[in-house]
Amino acid sequence: AQSVTQLDSQVPVFEEAPVELRCNYSSSVSVYLFWYVQYPNQGLQLLLKYLSGSTLVKGINGFEAEFNKSQTSFHLRKPSVHISDTAEYFCAVSDRGFQKLVFGTGTRLLVSP
Amino acid sequence: DTGVSQNPRHKITKRGQNVTFRCDPISEHNRLYWYRQTLGQGPEFLTYFQNEAQLEKSRLLSDRFSAERPKGSFSTLEIQRTEQGDSAMYLCASSSRGGQTDTQYFGPGTRLTVL
Repeated sequence: AQSVTQLDSQVPVFEEAPVELRCNYSSSVSVYLFWYVQYPNQGLQLLLKYLSGSTLVKGINGFEAEFNKSQTSFHLRKPSVHISDTAEYFCAVSDRGFQKLVFGTGTRLLVSP
Repeated sequence: DTGVSQNPRHKITKRGQNVTFRCDPISEHNRLYWYRQTLGQGPEFLTYFQNEAQLEKSRLLSDRFSAERPKGSFSTLEIQRTEQGDSAMYLCASSSRGGQTDTQYFGPGTRLTVL
């Protein structure tokens, strides 16, 4: 079984500042890792994913994440945030059978001017 | 290429009534998933289909819940005798079995409110 821990329920940040959203996972098998973003009253949109290969993954909207197997982490980063990045961000894992995603509880990113 | 669609987007019902939601996956996606998301939580897996076969069901899916995917196309999720605890956002996702293309794409969800 897999589990995901998102350590911060809310992260306030000023516009144009850098941000890091933390994600740690637990699994007894190799996993795939994902970050999704959810805007109010909408479904989830994939930001980026790690399947294999390079541990630094680049996604949409200037986001990137780094897979660290020894620390079982997959933190999301952006060097300069915009007001429009205000949303809920979910880290998720799945086993390599792709049978289901296991999500963290989410981190609300609040970007203020 | 249209995305995953879900209908209705919102449903308000009284306790004890039955409700049915529909999900239309991305064309030719053979895997379809249902998740439930309550306020302040991440989505939780309910069930998934590969083509028309329902291959896995979560413990969250009590006997009041039933899901179908006739002919491996759209899917329906029915809740019988709704309870206030069923109030949540019900999300549908689809993916295509094919190695690195197995990303799940989500629909906008159906928000259920049970009064």
